Amino acid sequence: AQSVSQHNHHVILSEAASLELGCNYSYGGTVNLFWYVQYPGQHLQLLLKYFSGDPLVKGIKGFEAEFIKSKFSFNLRKPSVQWSDTAEYFCAVNVGGSSNTGKLIFGQGTTLQVKP
Amino acid sequence: KAGVTQTPRYLIKTRGQQVTLSCSPISGHRSVSWYQQTPGQGLQFLFEYFSETQRNKGNFPGRFSGRQFSNSRSEMNVSTLELGDSALYLCASSLWGETGELFFGEGSRLTVL
Repeated sequence: AQSVSQHNHHVILSEAASLELGCNYSYGGTVNLFWYVQYPGQHLQLLLKYFSGDPLVKGIKGFEAEFIKSKFSFNLRKPSVQWSDTAEYFCAVNVGGSSNTGKLIFGQGTTLQVKP
Repeated sequence: KAGVTQTPRYLIKTRGQQVTLSCSPISGHRSVSWYQQTPGQGLQFLFEYFSETQRNKGNFPGRFSGRQFSNSRSEMNVSTLELGDSALYLCASSLWGETGELFFGEGSRLTVL
């Protein structure tokens, strides 16, 4: 069965520090990859997505992620975090494309705490 | 544009009872998916509906069911509640074919006593 693994459960950084959150998935075929974010008191929202093409994708609020097929990874990065980035981050995988529009396999999530 | 609306936001039930949760998608979105979120298992896919038909189903027992109406609103039902069904139930809507681009509601938090 497909699965998604996020290496860090809880990350604490100071403002202006660089961020990298790890995500690995297990599936040998074509996948679509996503990062979702949940800010305190808010609903889950899409941060960025990868379907095909340039493996380096950019999302909202300065976030980017790199798809490395050989490593089955889709790590999230941000060069300089802000206090407002404090949130829970979820990596997700879709298998099956448009016939499985709403079916995502989520990782367990990483809680990011940014200290001012 | 109104977001995804879920009702009720909080509810408490006892073992053996049944519960129905409602979801109104974003206007124009015809695909509705349901997820269960718990501290131990994280976010798990329950099922997805499009055009009043279940298109995908996750690995949950038959006690979990759902339906979608002609106006795209969706309900999910859990019968014979167990303590382990305590969770946040999230609804997400999307445009069919817009793979994985889900718009989530704030969820219905179910506590089973």
